[in-house]
Amino acid sequence: GAVVSQHPSWVICKSGTSVKIECRSLDFQATTMFWYRQFPKQSLMLMATSNEGSKATYEQGVEKDKFLINHASLTLSTLTVTSAHPEDSSFYICSARPPGLAGETQYFGPGTRLLVL
Amino acid sequence: AQSVTQPDIHITVSEGASLELRCNYSYGATPYLFWYVQSPGQGLQLLLKYFSGDTLVQGIKGFEAEFKRSQSSFNLRKPSVHWSDAAEYFCAVGANAGKSTFGDGTTLTVKP
Repeated sequence: GAVVSQHPSWVICKSGTSVKIECRSLDFQATTMFWYRQFPKQSLMLMATSNEGSKATYEQGVEKDKFLINHASLTLSTLTVTSAHPEDSSFYICSARPPGLAGETQYFGPGTRLLVL
Repeated sequence: AQSVTQPDIHITVSEGASLELRCNYSYGATPYLFWYVQSPGQGLQLLLKYFSGDTLVQGIKGFEAEFKRSQSSFNLRKPSVHWSDAAEYFCAVGANAGKSTFGDGTTLTVKP
């Protein structure tokens, strides 16, 4: 099956620093990737849709200047949390959608746990 | 707007017993429906999906789900639960725009 990786799997940083999270589709090309955020014991919240070669589409309430998304190639999307603060601590999950499939099949990465001190 | 409701926050079953996790959805057109499983600290794994056709869908790990349009439901079932099935289960609706709306999840605990 399709494999999506994320790096790093966990990161601890100081308040005010920026953190970059990578999402890679390992065995398929993904024109569209999605970034989700998940708080403990809660569901996934879609943050943004990342399209290769174009600007990301952010969901309402998500600060695009704080959560920078770059989809520079068909296999890589990055999420940069700028000037991170403790309230940004969360589990960030990406997913990638292969082109040409019916419906909205997407494959999820294993997630990145961010802790901001 | 689309929405998904998972009425049961937490379910406990004995190993070997049958399981049914409920999912109700609200959607304006023909829905794309999914069930995912998430182990602690992990991403989501697709169990099964429904797009069209046979309303009884078979998935991985012995799971199945039945789409009932009249009840706006897509309940997940397994005839005999294993201890390794203990996890968080999410029902989701996929829109044509490529966004998935997830339910709040059901935590499954399996008693020995």
